[in-house]
Amino acid sequence: GEDVEQSLFLSVREGDSSVINCTYTDSSSTYLYWYKQEPGAGLQLLTYIFSNMDMKQDQRLTVLLNKKDKHLSLRIADTQTGDSAIYFCAESEIKAAGNKLTFGGGTRVLVKP
Amino acid sequence: DTGVSQDPRHKITKRGQNVTFRCDPISEHNRLYWYRQTLGQGPEFLTYFQNEAQLEKSRLLSDRFSAERPKGSFSTLEIQRTEQGDSAMYLCASSLRRVLGTDTQYFGPGTRLTVL
Repeated sequence: GEDVEQSLFLSVREGDSSVINCTYTDSSSTYLYWYKQEPGAGLQLLTYIFSNMDMKQDQRLTVLLNKKDKHLSLRIADTQTGDSAIYFCAESEIKAAGNKLTFGGGTRVLVKP
Repeated sequence: DTGVSQDPRHKITKRGQNVTFRCDPISEHNRLYWYRQTLGQGPEFLTYFQNEAQLEKSRLLSDRFSAERPKGSFSTLEIQRTEQGDSAMYLCASSLRRVLGTDTQYFGPGTRLTVL
């Protein structure tokens, strides 16, 4: 079955770039997602990438995908204190019957002023 | 559009009681998903609906759990005879199925269940 792994914690200074890493196991066509969760809240979709792409940029966010190593990263440029949260990587295998998400355990990002 | 809403936001119950949660998806979305998130973990898939049909259930969904989406709009998740291990955040997500591409899931704020 699918498995998604993430590092547990990242500390970064305000204004620096953050890089959050994720590895996954599913080798079929898939979409890969990044969600953000603030304390006590639901998940906010940040961005996603299809497995036939190498990179996607959206304002301060850059997603890089290494299909060979099944490695996904999220880079946040000019990290702000409001970026402190838990970030989840998730994958979804494309199927006709539902695209359930398989999540990693989350990376807690702490932005220090 | 106000996004996905869930009610209640918090529920405290005693072991053995039944609880029911409600999810209202984004209005035009035809798919609705339930996930469970325990402390310090990522969400885990429980079940999903396309319109009113429940098409997949996880092994996590024991026979004490039942979900419905009677008119293809809102959904309810009921847990009977709650156990302390049911304490978790229950998240609902909705999406719009397209012929091609992903159906991006948008999440509600969750219902936090505490079983004493």
